[in-house]
Amino acid sequence: QKEVEQNSGPLSVPEGAIASLNCTYSDRVSQSFFWYRQYSGKSPELIMSIYSNGDKEDGRFTAQLNKASQYVSLLIRDSQPSDSATYLCAVNRASGTYKYIFGTGTRLKVLA
Amino acid sequence: EPEVTQTPSHQVTQMGQEVILRCVPISNHLYFYWYRQILGQKVEFLVSFYNNEISEKSEIFDDQFSVERPDGSNFTLKIRSTKLEDSAMYFCASKLTVTSYEQYFGPGTRLTVT
Repeated sequence: QKEVEQNSGPLSVPEGAIASLNCTYSDRVSQSFFWYRQYSGKSPELIMSIYSNGDKEDGRFTAQLNKASQYVSLLIRDSQPSDSATYLCAVNRASGTYKYIFGTGTRLKVLA
Repeated sequence: EPEVTQTPSHQVTQMGQEVILRCVPISNHLYFYWYRQILGQKVEFLVSFYNNEISEKSEIFDDQFSVERPDGSNFTLKIRSTKLEDSAMYFCASKLTVTSYEQYFGPGTRLTVT
C-alpha cells in the first residue's frame, strides 16, 4: 500500500468551476497535511496546511481533513486557467525529523 | 519575502564525477532538507539536517551522498561519483522551528548525468 495516494489525473474542469482534489494516506500517526502546487519544471509551492479535522479556508482554497478516514482533500473554487498545475499532497508525523511523504500528485487542467 | 535559494539551476556532469549542489535556506530556519524528483515521478525525501548533523536519511541517501553546512548560511549536497540514475531535480527545503511544520522549497537544481 502506498503511503500517500493521489489520482494522477488529469482532472479537467471548466473555468469558474470547483476543482476537487483528493488524497489518502496510510500512516495513522500522520499529524500534518499539506497541499503544494507544482508547475512543470518548477519547485513545489505551499498552498495550504491543515492539522485538525474539518475544513480550513484560504481565499479560493479549502482544505478538508478526516483523520478517521485518513483522507484529505483540496477544493479550488472559481478555477482559473492559471490554476492548471500538478497538486501534491504531503504528510508528516509532526515529530522526529518532520520529513514529508509526498503523493505522486494530481494534474489539474482548467479549460478556458 | 525570504526565500530558499539554490545554485546552480542546472548542472550537467559526466558519470563518475563529483557534484556539489548548493542551497541557502531562509536565514532564521533551523531544519534543512534535501528532496529529489526524478522526471515524471514523485518528490522523494533524501535527508534532514538539524543542529549540524543528519537527523534522518532515506534508503536513497547512500554512501555516495553527503551533506554539510560549511558556514552559517550554506547547506550543500555532495554526490561523490554520479550515476545516470542520479539525474533528477534536487530541491532544498527549510523549516523554521520544531513547532512549525511547513517546509519551504527552493527553486531546485536540475542535475543531468551523461
